[in-house]
Amino acid sequence: GAVVSQHPSWVICKSGTSVKIECRSLDFQATTMFWYRQFPKQSLMLMATSNEGSKATYEQGVEKDKFLINHASLTLSTLTVTSAHPEDSSFYICSARGGLHYGYTFGSGTRLTVV
Amino acid sequence: AQKITQTQPGMFVQEKEAVTLDCTYDTSDPSYGLFWYKQPSSGEMIFLIYQGSYDQQNATEGRYSLNFQKARKSANLVISASQLGDSAMYFCAMRGGTNAGGTSYGKLTFGQGTILTVHP
Repeated sequence: GAVVSQHPSWVICKSGTSVKIECRSLDFQATTMFWYRQFPKQSLMLMATSNEGSKATYEQGVEKDKFLINHASLTLSTLTVTSAHPEDSSFYICSARGGLHYGYTFGSGTRLTVV
Repeated sequence: AQKITQTQPGMFVQEKEAVTLDCTYDTSDPSYGLFWYKQPSSGEMIFLIYQGSYDQQNATEGRYSLNFQKARKSANLVISASQLGDSAMYFCAMRGGTNAGGTSYGKLTFGQGTILTVHP
């Protein structure tokens, strides 16, 4: 079936450094990737939508210079958290448009802790 | 704008009993899709069931069924014969139907979630 591989599953980084999260569709082409952020026991909040080969569309209130999204190919989208701070600590999860389940295939998520 | 509301922050159910998780939605799109996902403590999003706005019958998937009441804009999830492994957070989500070019097309909007605890 359709799989989206998300790495890393967890990461701890120092304040001020950058972290890259990858989402790769393994057996289908993901023309669109959605990136979500989730705080403990809260809902998934859409951060941005990326389409292959074009600039990402960010939701209101999301800093595009802080959360850099690249979707350079039909199988790979990346989210880079630049100059991370403790308040960026969260669970980040991607969802590719396509595959099974009526068109949405989620990655397994990345727990980011900034110390 | 689309909105999904889950009014039950937490629910408790006895093993082997049925439980209903509430979800109401609001949209001006005539075409939309409604999803339910399960999120265990590991964080992965597990697809449970889908209901299209034009589907005439309520969706069912094994122990899961969706009580779709279009006029009331509700899409409640019913889990029959609860199991201990059903303990997790459950999300209702809606896909907008705006055509490509509209910013809402394809986006999933999630409700606040309901934490379900199944007691032995």
